[in-house]
Amino acid sequence: SQQGEEDPQALSIQEGENATMNCSYKTSINNLQWYRQNSGRGLVHLILIRSNEREKHSGRLRVTLDTSKKSSSLLITASRAADTASYFCASLFQGAQKLVFGQGTRLTINP
Amino acid sequence: DGGITQSPKYLFRKEGQNVTLSCEQNLNHDAMYWYRQDPGQGLRLIYYSQIVNDFQKGDIAEGYSVSREKKESFPLTVTSAQKNPTAFYLCASSRKTGWGETQYFGPGTRLLVL
Repeated sequence: SQQGEEDPQALSIQEGENATMNCSYKTSINNLQWYRQNSGRGLVHLILIRSNEREKHSGRLRVTLDTSKKSSSLLITASRAADTASYFCASLFQGAQKLVFGQGTRLTINP
Repeated sequence: DGGITQSPKYLFRKEGQNVTLSCEQNLNHDAMYWYRQDPGQGLRLIYYSQIVNDFQKGDIAEGYSVSREKKESFPLTVTSAQKNPTAFYLCASSRKTGWGETQYFGPGTRLLVL
């Protein structure tokens, strides 16, 4: 399966701490995207990183991509209770016309 | 107010019944998608459409059908052939398929079987 695998499946931290989630994939990609899903809602796009990029920032979010290891990580700094959600990576594999979503990391921020 | 709308929010299906989930977008996007999400799982692609009057099967198309008669609309029918339809269904759109395109998601429809 080309599906990205996310690690950990669940993460619980205290408010103010940093949260790191990882995504690994098996075949070459054109780009990788991260989405957030609040419980029972649709997904919201967070950030896109292309295969020729190594790091991107957006506010408190930092995404890295290591194509040699076929992996990406999402770092949320200074976490807030509102960051509680599931986070999904989605990969656009070379030659494909559609995104392939991972199974997600469920993040809980404790006040 | 631009975006994607899905209706209804909750839908109940009786055994042997076909039901249709609505998805409308006013973003002027060419591409539209339907995904299925089961509890604690990621998204699986059911169907996608790159242009009006054209659509392609995704990874789990069996038991589902779609139409794309208008650019704004991409309804999904869950047929009686889908034996395990209980799930959360998400519709999405993007400016086009593939290359670096962000997908914009609707709020979802939860389908339950009576």
